[in-house]
Amino acid sequence: GDSVTQMEGPVTLSEEAFLTINCTYTATGYPSLFWYVQYPGEGLQLLLKATKADDKGSNKGFEATYRKETTSFHLEKGSVQVSDSAVYFCALPSGNTPLVFGKGTRLSVIA
Amino acid sequence: DAMVIQNPRYQVTQFGKPVTLSCSQTLNHNVMYWYQQKSSQAPKLLFHYYDKDFNNEADTPDNFQSRRPNTSFCFLDIRSPGLGDAAMYLCATSRSAGGNQPQHFGDGTRLSIL
Repeated sequence: GDSVTQMEGPVTLSEEAFLTINCTYTATGYPSLFWYVQYPGEGLQLLLKATKADDKGSNKGFEATYRKETTSFHLEKGSVQVSDSAVYFCALPSGNTPLVFGKGTRLSVIA
Repeated sequence: DAMVIQNPRYQVTQFGKPVTLSCSQTLNHNVMYWYQQKSSQAPKLLFHYYDKDFNNEADTPDNFQSRRPNTSFCFLDIRSPGLGDAAMYLCATSRSAGGNQPQHFGDGTRLSIL
């Protein structure tokens, strides 16, 4: 079945560092792709999405580009802040499953 | 402004004692979902409703049931909680079941079993 693979965490960065969290997917066809973020003690929030190849989703300084040729949807941010510390999940819909999530990547940003 | 509201935020119950978690939404979305999330893991879908149409995941234990009396409310019933059911339970909604529809999550109910 369709799946996503995320880089293992945790990722620890200093404030203002560049962030990349890798996500690759296996899918039949070209599903929409999502990044969700979960701050401590909260539910998930949609961070960004892309619905077709070469689309770039962006929000709050985060970006991800839907790359069909490499089956990837890597999350990037040019300058992270302490407030970005959270768990990030890559996800896609698959068949009868509304969303298949990756295992999540924990990001810690230190001042 | 909360759009998906889960009550309570923390719930403690005894081993084997039935417990109900609740979720309400102000988005008027057609689809409501229940997820179980254990520590340091991704959310695991238990079931979802498309309107009144109930969809159970194949590996959801029979111990877990759900009710959706109207568009706004959805309940998760755990008939006989075991220690392994201690987790965060997340409710989510989406406008439709289409693959490009994002889901909107509540802040979850953390369930502890004594």
